[in-house]
Amino acid sequence: EVQLLESGGGLVQPGGSLRLSCAASGFTFSTSVMTWVRQAPGKGLEWLSLISGTGGATKYADSVKGRYTISRDNSKNTLYLEMNSLRAEDTAVYYCVKGGGQLSHWYFGLWGRGTLVTVSS
Amino acid sequence: DIQMTQSPSTLSASVGDRVTITCRASQSISSWLAWYQQKPGKAPNLLIYKASSLDSGVPSRFSGSGSGTEFTLTISSLQPDDFATYYCQQYDSYSYTFGQGTKLEIK
Repeated sequence: EVQLLESGGGLVQPGGSLRLSCAASGFTFSTSVMTWVRQAPGKGLEWLSLISGTGGATKYADSVKGRYTISRDNSKNTLYLEMNSLRAEDTAVYYCVKGGGQLSHWYFGLWGRGTLVTVSS
Repeated sequence: DIQMTQSPSTLSASVGDRVTITCRASQSISSWLAWYQQKPGKAPNLLIYKASSLDSGVPSRFSGSGSGTEFTLTISSLQPDDFATYYCQQYDSYSYTFGQGTKLEIK
């Protein structure tokens, strides 16, 4: 079964750090572009970051550039998102998503269930 | 960044109705547009990519059209399972952006 399963969410204080993981199964992870998308409570969707299949290329939204780092371990079929200097406005459900498409044109074809990150003191 | 604007924000309709949701891009994105359906408490689900290509397993009552800056999602005959929130997303360039969403409600 094709599946993405996020973990690592939880409650963190402002200024703190958190690392999210996403375990992939059922498809060839090492050749798949992967992304993170978040959704604040009651709000819309926001793309955060993208990583190529090899991990050699990464892209970030301006809102998280310099604070978040995307990475992957293809030997473990796992995607990561390291989040630092967290703010209240980072509170959201974070989704791991498999990209579909080509070159720089990636839509979001397969979504995990999401993991909730709450930034609060 | 490319801005995506959906209309309407909320749409009330009945089972069997034909409905159309519009998405407008702030600049041309060719056909690099996707549509997603999201139900409360669930992850979004891809419906359409490249403006008009139906994703695998998506019912044929869903269709997409448009290019450049104007796009539409049409549901030909609403079913009870279709009441949800719909998002468009441009993927013309990095810094992918979504529309604000259209909530489809039961009339």
